[in-house]
Amino acid sequence: GQQVMQIPQYQHVQEGEDFTTYCNSSTTLSNIQWYKQRPGGHPVFLIQLVKSGEVKKQKRLTFQFGEAKKNSSLHITATQTTDVGTYFCAEPSNAGGTSYGKLTFGQGTILTVHP
Amino acid sequence: DVKVTQSSRYLVKRTGEKVFLECVQDMDHENMFWYRQDPGLGLRLIYFSYDVKMKEKGDIPEGYSVSREKKERFSLILESASTNQTSMYLCASSSEGSTQYFGPGTRLTVL
Repeated sequence: GQQVMQIPQYQHVQEGEDFTTYCNSSTTLSNIQWYKQRPGGHPVFLIQLVKSGEVKKQKRLTFQFGEAKKNSSLHITATQTTDVGTYFCAEPSNAGGTSYGKLTFGQGTILTVHP
Repeated sequence: DVKVTQSSRYLVKRTGEKVFLECVQDMDHENMFWYRQDPGLGLRLIYFSYDVKMKEKGDIPEGYSVSREKKERFSLILESASTNQTSMYLCASSSEGSTQYFGPGTRLTVL
């Protein structure tokens, strides 16, 4: 079935260090979405990337979509304790030709930030 | 503000019990989803619905069924709960091609 590989599974950083998580798909994607789940919370949408090579920024977060639209990354500059949580990428599930808005989620990267 | 609510935050049931998890969204979304989340396994899709009374299996439907009698409500049913169904259950809704909005989750423990 459709798979999206996300690495690393865990990342421990000191506050102020940078952090990056990567997603790779076996197929060319129409778009990719990123979500954040705080400890004890639920996933919350961060951003959607659509265009080849697209780069979007949200304050200290930088999101990139690969030129071939098969991979994506999320980079956080100078992490803060408020960045802790699990970051998921998600790609549209196109099996059977109709997605109905289904997403296939990566396994997530759990970020811990030590003050 | 989009709101997705789930009937319980925490639930404890016994093996063999029938369990109902309710999800309600207030954004008139066509699509609704049930996931379970387990450590190291991410979010796995159990069932989804793209219209009233319409449903399709996700990746792990075994042991579950669903009901969507009204557009805003999507129920997950465990016909006979088992210990391996202890998990966090998340409901989400979306319009076609757009982001998914998640409920707060129900942490189910089956003893």
